[in-house]
Parts: sequence; C-alpha cells; structure tokens
Amino acid sequence: EAQVTQNPRYLITVTGKKLTVTCSQNMNHEYMSWYRQDPGLGLRQIYYSMNVEVTDKGDVPEGYKVSRKEKRNFPLILESPSPNQTSLYFCASSGGSGANVLTFGAGSRLTVL
Amino acid sequence: AQKVTQAQTEISVVEKEDVTLDCVYETRDTTYYLFWYKQPPSGELVFLIRRNSFDEQNEISGRYSWNFQKSTSSFNFTITASQVVDSAVYFCALNLNQAGTALIFGKGTTLSVSS
Repeated sequence: EAQVTQNPRYLITVTGKKLTVTCSQNMNHEYMSWYRQDPGLGLRQIYYSMNVEVTDKGDVPEGYKVSRKEKRNFPLILESPSPNQTSLYFCASSGGSGANVLTFGAGSRLTVL
Repeated sequence: AQKVTQAQTEISVVEKEDVTLDCVYETRDTTYYLFWYKQPPSGELVFLIRRNSFDEQNEISGRYSWNFQKSTSSFNFTITASQVVDSAVYFCALNLNQAGTALIFGKGTTLSVSS
C-alpha cells in the first residue's frame, strides 16, 4: 500500500530535550515536506526537500532541522523543543511538480511541556 | 504572493441539508492547481479533488461537487444531502506550476453535521 509513515504518532516531552520525528514513504517520491497544523492557522510548511541532499526552508523553519540522506526518509529534528512547538505535524510526499497530489502521513501530535 | 481564504470558520447543518464551503484564492500565475482536502476527527488528511487553472468545468462526485470560477478566483465545494460522516475540517489549497513550491492552505472550515 502506498503510504507515508510517521513516528511517533503521539509524544509528550519537556523543553530542551532533543527529539526526532521520522517520516518514510514507499512511493519513490522525490518531493517530501513537513507541515505543522495549529488551531486557526491552518497548515504551514516547515521544510521541504526536492531530492536526496536537497532541502530548503518553508514558511516556519525556526527551531527545526531536517535531513534527506535517503530518498524514502525525511526526519524532522527538534534540537531544543520549546512549548511553542506544541503542534500537530504532518509529513507529506509527492512526485514534485505543483500538479502532483501530496500524500500525507497520519500526523504526529507533539506536546512540549 | 499566493493566498487562500476560507472565510467560513465553522458551519453547522442538519443532516440532509446542502452546504457550500467557500474558497477564494489569490495568485498572479496563470498556471496553478487547486485542491480540497478533508480532515475527519481521526486527524488524517484525505485528498478530495485537484483542479488545474485551465479547466473550469464543474465536477461532481457523488454528493460532492465543485464550482471553479476564475472570474471570481473561487473554488467552492458543495455537499448535497449532508450526512453525519461529512463532519470534518475541510481545507482548500493552492499550488503553483513550479517544482518544489509549497501547497498553500486556507485555514480550514469546520463542518458539523448533526442528525
């Protein structure tokens, strides 16, 4: 089954404790992206990657890092989480052009205390 | 700059009512793509439809229909004879015809359908 898999789905952590949210897709997609969803703000892009070793900032990249060492994986790293990073996070992938439909993971709900 | 506006934050209807969710977009590009996604209470994002800027034909899929009007920069979504299972947050989104551009989302409309 074609899918984007994120882990963990739920996480409660404390300020400053580094964490990584993994994302993997099995569709051989070139394009991968991270979004965060907050009440009243919709979904905003954090980072995206056009291909292996090619990443770029989205609209809200502060406090996050990403890497793309393999085509299928695109982890989101919070080096020193803060409470304002409490959010619902989505990883997504597509073939890369604007016409392509983004396939989203199930979401990861992160709470930073 | 690109922007998507969903002016209706919340809509409540009773089952079997028809409901229209509004979406207005802004872009100066002539080639672009419009999308609707559904987010049910379980939280996942489900793709509903994609429309390119050169295809203004309305589309119908079962109880769902979409009205794309370039003259008013709108891409409205109508649910006919709504059902409780239609209760969800619905997002309209815009993407340009450029590799790597972000899907720009509206803030979403929460639809509540009661029995």
